[in-house]
Amino acid sequence: DVKVTQSSRYLVKRTGEKVFLECVQDMDHENMFWYRQDPGLGLRLIYFSYDVKMKEKGDIPEGYSVSREKKERFSLILESASTNQTSMYLCASSLASGRHNEQFFGPGTRLTVL
Amino acid sequence: SQQGEEDPQALSIQEGENATMNCSYKTSINNLQWYRQNSGRGLVHLILIRSNEREKHSGRLRVTLDTSKKSSSLLITVSRAADTASYFCATANFGNEKLTFGTGTRLTIIP
Repeated sequence: DVKVTQSSRYLVKRTGEKVFLECVQDMDHENMFWYRQDPGLGLRLIYFSYDVKMKEKGDIPEGYSVSREKKERFSLILESASTNQTSMYLCASSLASGRHNEQFFGPGTRLTVL
Repeated sequence: SQQGEEDPQALSIQEGENATMNCSYKTSINNLQWYRQNSGRGLVHLILIRSNEREKHSGRLRVTLDTSKKSSSLLITVSRAADTASYFCATANFGNEKLTFGTGTRLTIIP
C-alpha cells in the first residue's frame, strides 16, 4: 500500500514565524504535490515537484516555497506565516507521466496561524 | 483555477437509497477521477475514467462520462452510513501531471 505521511496533524503558529510542513511517501513516486483546502474553494495546488530538486508553481504559490532534496520527501515552507495561511494542507504523490496519474494523499495538516 | 464543479454542493439521503452527484469541467481532458474525503482527512482515490470511456463500474460505484457535454456523474448505489463524506472530481489534461479538483459534494447518509 502506498503510504503518504505528513509530519503533523495539527499545528498552531504565530504570525511571522517560519513554518515547515513535511511530507514523506514510501512508494518511489516521482511526483509530489502540496495543496491547501479551504471551505467552498476545494483543493488548490500550491506547488508541484516532478523530480528531486525540481519544482513548479501551482495556482497559489505566493507566500510559500518548497524543497525536494530527496525523492521521498517534499517540504512546504511558509517563510513568514500570516493569518490568511490558516488552512488544511494536503500532500499527495503520484507516478510519473504515462501512468494513470492517480494521486495518493496524506492525512493532512490543519495549520492555524494566530 | 477550478476546472471541475460538482453539483449539488450538499446532498442528504436515507440509507439504502442511491446517491448521484455530478461534475462539469471546461477543457478537454485525458481522464477524470473521483475521490472521497472523510471529515478532516486526506482524499482517497475511488475510480478513474478515461476520455474514451463512457461508463465504468467499481463495486457500488458507477461513473459516467460525457465528453460532448464535458460532464461526469458518480452514482453510489444502496448507500451506507459509511458513505458519508465529501466527494471530489478531478480532471487530468493530456501531457500534464497535475489534477484540477472541483469544490466537492458533501454527502450525508441518514441511518
